[in-house]
Amino acid sequence: AQKVTQAQTEISVVEKEDVTLDCVYETRDTTYYLFWYKQPPSGELVFLIRRNSFDEQNEISGRYSWNFQKSTSSFNFTITASQVVDSAVYFCALSENDTGGFKTIFGAGTRLFVKA
Amino acid sequence: DTEVTQTPKHLVMGMTNKKSLKCEQHMGHRAMYWYKQKAKKPPELMFVYSYEKLSINESVPSRFSPECPNSSLLNLHLHALQPEDSALYLCASSQDLRGTGNTIYFGEGSWLTVV
Repeated sequence: AQKVTQAQTEISVVEKEDVTLDCVYETRDTTYYLFWYKQPPSGELVFLIRRNSFDEQNEISGRYSWNFQKSTSSFNFTITASQVVDSAVYFCALSENDTGGFKTIFGAGTRLFVKA
Repeated sequence: DTEVTQTPKHLVMGMTNKKSLKCEQHMGHRAMYWYKQKAKKPPELMFVYSYEKLSINESVPSRFSPECPNSSLLNLHLHALQPEDSALYLCASSQDLRGTGNTIYFGEGSWLTVV
């Protein structure tokens, strides 16, 4: 069963629009961690944010904000006033305890196109 | 700039060649990873080293052979690869494998083409 679902394969917006990337996860653990990464065309995955399962506070960092809701097993990511430089693939990831330590798995990714 | 550096950035190799991908981190992290990423797919975990010992091997074919010479270095030795092994290979590191230290930081990747 897919543990991290990013239902939006591609999203296209015009600059300055707000956009929300959805992430739904599945886990039986009470302790787990959620992440968002950005992957521009250059290839490197850039770490954006990490939340632990005990901290449901939403977070804002500049134009980025994250909404963590355990009741719906969702960890959504909103970009406000999008810019062309936001064009990238965004991955949501879940880290759970496994044999040998915490293991991180990624969702399929959402490709965001921001047009000027 | 990433603190995980990978070389080479691009590699083209024949199916009978032997080559290696190299990775180095200077963050004092004790866990290092290899991920493989095909086009339009998420990264897939291949290997994890923790304190220089192989901790996780995700049933990777033996034509991929990892090596961790010390806590800062991670190599991936490649031999007798197939064209379908062409992909972006990402090295990464984290503080450790405990929950409190498991944020993974990635390098820029090595683009591998097998001809």
